[in-house]
Amino acid sequence: SQQGEEDPQALSIQEGENATMNCSYKTSINNLQWYRQNSGRGLVHLILIRSNEREKHSGRLRVTLDTSKKSSSLLITASRAADTASYFCATDAITGGYNKLIFGAGTRLAVHP
Amino acid sequence: GAVVSQHPSWVICKSGTSVKIECRSLDFQATTMFWYRQFPKQSLMLMATSNEGSKATYEQGVEKDKFLINHASLTLSTLTVTSAHPEDSSFYICSATTSGSRTEQYFGPGTRLTVT
Repeated sequence: SQQGEEDPQALSIQEGENATMNCSYKTSINNLQWYRQNSGRGLVHLILIRSNEREKHSGRLRVTLDTSKKSSSLLITASRAADTASYFCATDAITGGYNKLIFGAGTRLAVHP
Repeated sequence: GAVVSQHPSWVICKSGTSVKIECRSLDFQATTMFWYRQFPKQSLMLMATSNEGSKATYEQGVEKDKFLINHASLTLSTLTVTSAHPEDSSFYICSATTSGSRTEQYFGPGTRLTVT
């Protein structure tokens, strides 16, 4: 499978704490994106980081990318109960000349009040 | 802007019947639409890519005769699950892009299919 791996698979924290999720992938990429999915809903795009970028911020989100290790991390600072959701990374991978979006396995985040 | 809708949001059908799911781009023209499948607590798996006016490109292992995709206009793609079986029960999500690139994809809210 060319799907990336994410860890942890599940994360449970208290409100106000930081949440860190990691994603690893297997092929060369143009960019990497993080998405959020509330239970039974569609995906919401959070942030995109290009292969020549190392870090990107958006509000309480901080994303890093290490192309040498083929990994990325998503940090949510000062978490809120409303951040409870599943988080997926997705790579715009170049595979045999055909580009497609490949999703990681996801991290289920639970933020307790 | 960039809103994608899906209809129905959930559907229950009996084994052996067919069910059609619609994916619409509401405020933009979608040159390419994608169909994903998601099992509970799992990730999204790309099923097929459809370009307006041409045949869909299916991912390895996806039966094209079972999952019929039609992209008849720049705002509508349909996925028809033919002769549905309980193992086809899943969450089906579509996405759309304007540029033909896979980078800027706008996702629909998903359709929950249950086959009894």
